[in-house]
Amino acid sequence: DAGITQSPRYKITETGRQVTLMCHQTWSHSYMFWYRQDLGHGLRLIYYSAAADITDKGEVPDGYVVSRSKTENFPLTLESATRSQTSVYFCASSPGQGVSYEQYFGPGTRLTVT
Amino acid sequence: AQKITQTQPGMFVQEKEAVTLDCTYDTSDPSYGLFWYKQPSSGEMIFLIYQGSYDQQNATEGRYSLNFQKARKSANLVISASQLGDSAMYFCAMREAYLSGSARQLTFGSGTQLTVLP
Repeated sequence: DAGITQSPRYKITETGRQVTLMCHQTWSHSYMFWYRQDLGHGLRLIYYSAAADITDKGEVPDGYVVSRSKTENFPLTLESATRSQTSVYFCASSPGQGVSYEQYFGPGTRLTVT
Repeated sequence: AQKITQTQPGMFVQEKEAVTLDCTYDTSDPSYGLFWYKQPSSGEMIFLIYQGSYDQQNATEGRYSLNFQKARKSANLVISASQLGDSAMYFCAMREAYLSGSARQLTFGSGTQLTVLP
C-alpha cells in the first residue's frame, strides 16, 4: 500500500536491550523524520534525514541511532533502552524543503521500556 | 522561550457550535509556515490546514479556517459547526525557512484536547 508505515505498532522491551523501530515510505520523499511524543511536550524531533546516507540530529537525539541506506527506509535504533525512552514514536516524510511542504506521518509506534 | 504556545490544555464545545483553538508562536524568521494537525484517539496525525507567513488571506479548508494575525504572532484554528468526530487532540506547529537550519522540522505546541458534547 502507498503511504508511510511503521513497525512494530506496539513494543515492550526491557531496560538495556537494543530495539529498532522501522519506517517505510512509498512516495520516494527526500526528507524523513523521527519524532517522539510525550505528554505535555507535543512532538519533538529526534533525527532527520535529507536523503539516503544523509542524517542529522534533532532536538532530542541522545540514546538513538539512525541510518538511511535506501530512500524509502529510515530505521530508528535505541542502542540500550531506558525507561525515559518510553514514548510514542512517529516517523514522517516530506517531499521538499520549503516551509509549505506538509509532513506526512506514519501511524506511530508505542514503545514501553520496563 | 517556547516557539509554539497552546494555552488551552482542554476545551469543550457543543455539537454544531464553532470553536477557536489558540496558538501563538515566536520566531524572527521572515519566512515560516504554520500547520494544524488533528490527533484522534486512534493516534494518527492528520494534517488539517496550512498558513504561510507571506499569505495575505487566511487559509480555509472546509470547516477549518485559520485566523492568522501576523503582528500578534497568533494562528488560531477555527472549527465551524463542530461534530462529534472532531473530538481529538489538536496540535499547532511551525516550520521556519532559515532558523531551523537544514532540518526544516516542525516545531509543535503541547496540544489542545477538544471534546465535542452532544
